[in-house]
Amino acid sequence: AQTVTQSQPEMSVQEAETVTLSCTYDTSENNYYLFWYKQPPSRQMILVIRQEAYKQQNATENRFSVNFQKAAKSFSLKISDSQLGDTAMYFCAFIVGTSYGKLTFGQGTILTVHP
Amino acid sequence: NAGVMQNPRHLVRRRGQEARLRCSPMKGHSHVYWYRQLPEEGLKFMVYLQKENIIDESGMPKERFSAEFPKEGPSILRIQQVVRGDSAAYFCASSPPMAYNEQFFGPGTRLTVL
Repeated sequence: AQTVTQSQPEMSVQEAETVTLSCTYDTSENNYYLFWYKQPPSRQMILVIRQEAYKQQNATENRFSVNFQKAAKSFSLKISDSQLGDTAMYFCAFIVGTSYGKLTFGQGTILTVHP
Repeated sequence: NAGVMQNPRHLVRRRGQEARLRCSPMKGHSHVYWYRQLPEEGLKFMVYLQKENIIDESGMPKERFSAEFPKEGPSILRIQQVVRGDSAAYFCASSPPMAYNEQFFGPGTRLTVL
C-alpha cells in the first residue's frame, strides 16, 4: 500500500524566516512523482512544487525548495523568506506510475506565519 | 484559459436526499479525478474518469455513490440518500491526456448534510 506521513500537525514561523515541513512516504515502486500542495483558508488546492523520482536534482520554485532523499523516502519542503500569505495547510502527496492518477495525500501540516 | 470549475460551491441536503456535484475540466483536459476531504483530514482519492469511461473507482464507496463523465457536459458525482457522514469537501481535478501527474484542482464543493 502507498502511504504518506506528515509528522508535524502544526508549525509556526516568523515572517521572513525559513521553515521546513517534513514528509515521508512508502512505496515499492520505482517510478513516481512527489508533490507539495498548499490549501489556504479559501480551501483551493494549489500546487506548490513537484519532483520526479528519477531526477536527483532537488526541485525549486522561487522561495520553495525540496530536499528529496530517495533512499530514505523523505521529501521535505523548505520555505525561505516566509510571508504572511504562506499561512495555509500544506499537503505532501505522490502518484505512483502504475496508479493512473491516484494521488495519495498525507494528513497535512498547518503552517502559521506570524508578523 | 479558465481553470477547473465546480458547482455548486456549497450544497446543503437533508438526510435521504440526493446530491449532485458538477465538475467542468480545464479546456483540453480529458481526464477527471474526484477526491473527498473529510474534516481535519487530507484528500482521499475516489474515482478517475475519462470521457465516457470509468478508469479507476477503487476509492468510491460501494453503495450510494456514482460518477460519470459524458461525451458532452461536465463530470457528475452523484450521492444518493445522503447521510451525515457524507458531509465533506469534494474536489475535482483534471489533467491533459496521458499527463496524470499534472492535476489541476477546482475550488471544491462543500456538502453539508443536515
